[in-house]
Amino acid sequence: AAGVIQSPRHLIKEKRETATLKCYPIPRHDTVYWYQQGPGQDPQFLISFYEKMQSDKGSIPDRFSAQQFSDYHSELNMSSLELGDSALYFCASSRDVGAYEQYFGPGTRLTVT
Amino acid sequence: AQKVTQAQTEISVVEKEDVTLDCVYETRDTTYYLFWYKQPPSGELVFLIRRNSFDEQNEISGRYSWNFQKSTSSFNFTITASQVVDSAVYFCALKVNNAGNMLTFGGGTRLMVKP
Repeated sequence: AAGVIQSPRHLIKEKRETATLKCYPIPRHDTVYWYQQGPGQDPQFLISFYEKMQSDKGSIPDRFSAQQFSDYHSELNMSSLELGDSALYFCASSRDVGAYEQYFGPGTRLTVT
Repeated sequence: AQKVTQAQTEISVVEKEDVTLDCVYETRDTTYYLFWYKQPPSGELVFLIRRNSFDEQNEISGRYSWNFQKSTSSFNFTITASQVVDSAVYFCALKVNNAGNMLTFGGGTRLMVKP
């Protein structure tokens, strides 16, 4: 079965640079969630989209922005990167905003040097 | 606010032993959903199970079983006859009906199964 696709899988950036992470949900899933998992931490919710509109917002820094496109893929844009942004970024998708299971992608490991 | 507590940060067992991972949650809502996810060393998060707040029936899936008790706000996970491949970090998570659709995760329990 098709899973959530995230690209790139690994990304190395320097401080103050920008990064763009992409997420392609499972086919027919219209809701996308972004989570950030720091080293040794549990995943923290950043933001979600349903039918291309932001549905919930968590602890997402102002330096980050995200959107969901007409084909339901989503991009997380991160600017003025800081060392503390180094983390594993997960995208998850679900069939609709009220559906229960969120299926996670493999994650993008971002390292800021 | 919602909160999930996994008091066991790390558990080490020998293969074939049974092991129970504890999860305690806090929420004022009456409608909520509980989940378990597995995160193997490769890093991905694998969905294991979902439980609704109105369904306290326990569930068994192969070597995995889950015990949901609303009276103690617990949703514990037992692995019977553990195997080395069960080594991973296991996260318990909570989704509350009236607080958005995000998952609130516990801190995770690292399970190490030794041969």
